Amino acid sequence: AQSVAQPEDQVNVAEGNPLTVKCTYSVSGNPYLFWYVQYPNRGLQFLLKYITGDNLVKGSYGFEAEFNKSQTSFHLKKPSALVSDSALYFCAVRDIDNNYGQNFVFGPGTRLSVLP
Amino acid sequence: DTAVSQTPKYLVTQMGNDKSIKCEQNLGHDTMYWYKQDSKKFLKIMFSYNNKELIINETVPNRFSPKSPDKAHLNLHINSLELGDSAVYFCASSLGLLTDTQYFGPGTRLTVL
Repeated sequence: AQSVAQPEDQVNVAEGNPLTVKCTYSVSGNPYLFWYVQYPNRGLQFLLKYITGDNLVKGSYGFEAEFNKSQTSFHLKKPSALVSDSALYFCAVRDIDNNYGQNFVFGPGTRLSVLP
Repeated sequence: DTAVSQTPKYLVTQMGNDKSIKCEQNLGHDTMYWYKQDSKKFLKIMFSYNNKELIINETVPNRFSPKSPDKAHLNLHINSLELGDSAVYFCASSLGLLTDTQYFGPGTRLTVL
């Protein structure tokens, strides 16, 4: 079965500094990978996804993520953090080679705090 | 226009009651989902419907029963509510299954007393 790990519960970064939110995954086949963001008392919003092709994926609000198959990672990055980026970030994976891969497994979430 | 809407936004009820949460999407999507987010923010899929057909049914107590009257609606009915059912329930939709982005509703906060 697929699984997702986000090793950091909390990431703190100063405004203007680069940020990284880490994600590693485990699937038996090939993965589809997603990042979502959740602002307080809101539903999740899509940021970006990796399906195939270029390992560097660019998404909404200046975020990007790099798919690294050898390290089974899909870390989320942004060159310059904004206070408004403070939110809960979820990595998710779907195993495209698994007959039961319709399931969408989310990581536990990482709370990002950008300090002014 | 709201893409995925849920009603009610808040639901407070006593143990043992039966309640329903409604979800509607106006995106023309074929697939809809129900997720449960617990107090620690863990998010877990409960059900998924594609073209009104149940395709994912995770290990969820059979007190939970989804119903999809049409492609635009996926309602969640919960019988005999328990304290552990307290959570935020999110509805979501996507155009198709595997690769498609999911669009989430604002959530329904259920509190069982």
